[in-house]
Amino acid sequence: QQQVKQSPQSLIVQKGGISIINCAYENTAFDYFPWYQQFPGKGPALLIAIRPDVSEKKEGRFTISFNKSAKQFSLHIMDSQPGDSATYFCAASMDSGNTPLVFGKGTRLSVIA
Amino acid sequence: EPEVTQTPSHQVTQMGQEVILRCVPISNHLYFYWYRQILGQKVEFLVSFYNNEISEKSEIFDDQFSVERPDGSNFTLKIRSTKLEDSAMYFCASRPHSSGANVLTFGAGSRLTVL
Repeated sequence: QQQVKQSPQSLIVQKGGISIINCAYENTAFDYFPWYQQFPGKGPALLIAIRPDVSEKKEGRFTISFNKSAKQFSLHIMDSQPGDSATYFCAASMDSGNTPLVFGKGTRLSVIA
Repeated sequence: EPEVTQTPSHQVTQMGQEVILRCVPISNHLYFYWYRQILGQKVEFLVSFYNNEISEKSEIFDDQFSVERPDGSNFTLKIRSTKLEDSAMYFCASRPHSSGANVLTFGAGSRLTVL
């Protein structure tokens, strides 16, 4: 119930392409869904987050799509760049984000020129 | 930009030894967290701390672990008797008091290697 399942484990995308990472959750009490970006040797950094009252949120080249009925959410990176190469974690929490984050296992993205 | 600072960046220790990992959260943040990441695995919650006491802890956070905020700025994680499986990257994180603003700022991590 507390798990967040993330796929794929790794992803290789051509420069300029679209990167898509998917996550699914079971606990319907989750109401805050952030994505974190982690570069090697660094801690995770918040990239973008969504709450279940909207189906999509866009910030620059990054978009979260949220499907409440399917209990799924995904990260889309448009016009992927080599600098986007990193590990991406989806996460979820309850109580408007006041409970500890539950992370997915991460997706290692490599954007190649 | 304010950041969470962690020391040491890497510590190697023998099994059974005590280890203390240190964190300096962002100064106006009131909620503090420790997470860990075993190599290649997901980031896992250990403990949260607010108002000088543990507010929540996971199953991982057993009696071998403790946290404290000894001087109002540092936030420490102590592992009393390390085991091989404690080898991981330990991340400290903090967030402001604002309700609903679960915007955690993570430190760069402390890599613990237990031999």
